[in-house]
Amino acid sequence: SYELTQPPSVSVSPGQTARITCSGDALAKQYAYWYQQRPGQAPVLVICKDNERPSGIPARFSGSSSGTTVTLTISGVQAEDEADYYCQSTDRIGSVYFFGTGTRVTVL
Amino acid sequence: EVQLVESGGGLVKPGGSLRLSCAVSGFPFSINSMTWVRQAPGKGLEWVSAINDNSAYRYYADSVRGRFTVSRDNAKNSLYLQMNSLRAEDTAVYYCARVREDVVLVGAKQSTYGLDVWGQGTTVTVSS
Repeated sequence: SYELTQPPSVSVSPGQTARITCSGDALAKQYAYWYQQRPGQAPVLVICKDNERPSGIPARFSGSSSGTTVTLTISGVQAEDEADYYCQSTDRIGSVYFFGTGTRVTVL
Repeated sequence: EVQLVESGGGLVKPGGSLRLSCAVSGFPFSINSMTWVRQAPGKGLEWVSAINDNSAYRYYADSVRGRFTVSRDNAKNSLYLQMNSLRAEDTAVYYCARVREDVVLVGAKQSTYGLDVWGQGTTVTVSS
């Protein structure tokens, strides 16, 4: 199955920790990637291979994986982290790409 | 600087055609797989198509298979998406993105592919 499910929204106060889950059967065998999309902007890759942070991404972004669920954690949330976040994975040969349903993070 | 710049979007009537382009600079285009991803107004991200480095493999989402064709010209550092028989539901911002191939030979998980560089998108509106 290529479905990835995320909570529609997460609200967090500045300085607190936001956790966004992404669940799907495929994640037991395939890695997950996380993207941040601020309003009116293109997505930006913030986590790859479940828990690796690309260069230039702040250390407050981290990822973890357990079974069929992956989690994006934003520690010490800042106002600029308010955005939509999407998880994504593929099949093992890259013939199908699938995205999660997306989570809107609101900084209170 | 790595850059992807989409163009070719616009307003088209249902049943019409449009060709999107993605001009690439700042990295060796010819050795990277590429994809198209779209986002309908107020909706999430939807993968559209992918093409490998030498055009030997081309993949499509079920929603566009048979209507859209992905191609590339490595000599021109350009990616294309020919869209035919357009429908209202194809209305979206279309992004090109570079594929990051995480090939796994040994491990608990299998090879997987992410999108590490994105363009700013071009808007396609299908309406009469």
